[in-house]
Amino acid sequence: DQQVKQNSPSLSVQEGRISILNCDYTNSMFDYFLWYKKYPAEGPTFLISISSIKDKNEDGRFTVFLNKSAKHLSLHIVPSQPGDSAVYFCGAGSYQLTFGKGTKLSVIP
Amino acid sequence: EAQVTQNPRYLITVTGKKLTVTCSQNMNHEYMSWYRQDPGLGLRQIYYSMNVEVTDKGDVPEGYKVSRKEKRNFPLILESPSPNQTSLYFCASSIRVGSYEQYFGPGTRLTVT
Repeated sequence: DQQVKQNSPSLSVQEGRISILNCDYTNSMFDYFLWYKKYPAEGPTFLISISSIKDKNEDGRFTVFLNKSAKHLSLHIVPSQPGDSAVYFCGAGSYQLTFGKGTKLSVIP
Repeated sequence: EAQVTQNPRYLITVTGKKLTVTCSQNMNHEYMSWYRQDPGLGLRQIYYSMNVEVTDKGDVPEGYKVSRKEKRNFPLILESPSPNQTSLYFCASSIRVGSYEQYFGPGTRLTVT
């Protein structure tokens, strides 16, 4: 059974608007969460992380929100840029890291 | 330059022929991991290692072996590859387990016929 779910396989957003990518998890023992971005033919690259003791972490245009009671996290990208077009993976873990299936973000100029 | 390297980058092999994919990092990281990426399934962890001589199974360990004799190297071994192991494989490392950035290698595209 999937412990980390990204229910939207794809998302299209206009350049300059906000992109919101969502992720749900089932294991309450997860104590850290990460977002990765992946371009075709490259390895994933780290975007931002958050530990379970926090509910928000910001890094420039990227903000991750964690709602532990709902077992939900989201990644906000503001403003969205065409270079943000990629597949985004949500990951969660304690010792072992489990990823969702990914959401393909397309930012339209 | 800080990096994770994998070799080979591309490999076509036949069922049952043992192979090893090497992974090396130059950042003195404690934590290393192997993933496979398949269409519609995302990234799935195969094995991970929290330090030298310490390895453990991820979500999909069947058909794979690993070893961690040195801190910098974490080879993935397929003793008897099968077509369902055709996939894109990534090695990754981080300073230690936790909410730390994992650095991923460029990937190894494996085809088993």
